Amino acid sequence: GAGVSQSPSNKVTEKGKDVELRCDPISGHTALYWYRQSLGQGLEFLIYFQGNSAPDKSGLPSDRFSAERTGGSVSTLTIQRTQQEDSAVYLCASSLKPPLEQYFGPGTRLTVT
Amino acid sequence: DQQVKQNSPSLSVQEGRISILNCDYTNSMFDYFLWYKKYPAEGPTFLISISSIKDKNEDGRFTVFLNKSAKHLSLHIVPSQPGDSAVYFCAATTSGTYKYIFGTGTRLKVLA
Repeated sequence: GAGVSQSPSNKVTEKGKDVELRCDPISGHTALYWYRQSLGQGLEFLIYFQGNSAPDKSGLPSDRFSAERTGGSVSTLTIQRTQQEDSAVYLCASSLKPPLEQYFGPGTRLTVT
Repeated sequence: DQQVKQNSPSLSVQEGRISILNCDYTNSMFDYFLWYKKYPAEGPTFLISISSIKDKNEDGRFTVFLNKSAKHLSLHIVPSQPGDSAVYFCAATTSGTYKYIFGTGTRLKVLA
């Protein structure tokens, strides 16, 4: 079966532009997470979706960041007016009901120039 | 405030020897712990987990030990193989919640 997929794998954008990152979770997984890994850092929690419940957005670093999950499946993370400090690898993960293990996608490496 | 800490950023071990990766946590509410392995340009993959009702969990060459009083867990890899070279993350969570807190990772290099 297919794992978690993310697109694009790499994105280079100019400062001030908007970007959209996509995540396709494993079919049937109700939980979906977005994380960010900056150079030399651990995984920083951004947002969590569980079924039809309101998402936990407590990890989003600023109001330039938003995410949605359509139909309980695909999720899009949007960063508006990108800044150089947004450069990082953005990882998506899905799981069955926590605290079971998460399955991660390969990530999107975002570079803001 | 880092609730999960991996104080060793890197570790080198000879092939065939034991690798011991350490992780400390501060939140006593954590009751489930996981280890992930990450190769370059790939997402982390789940390795092994342990519930706080246990102090040891074993899966093949991988064993995780949990010392609740010390708020410390460790991952033992025996024998270490060159293919084990990767970054290892520990993560912690509290049952009934969904937030996982990850450490900053330890880069393991197994020398042939």
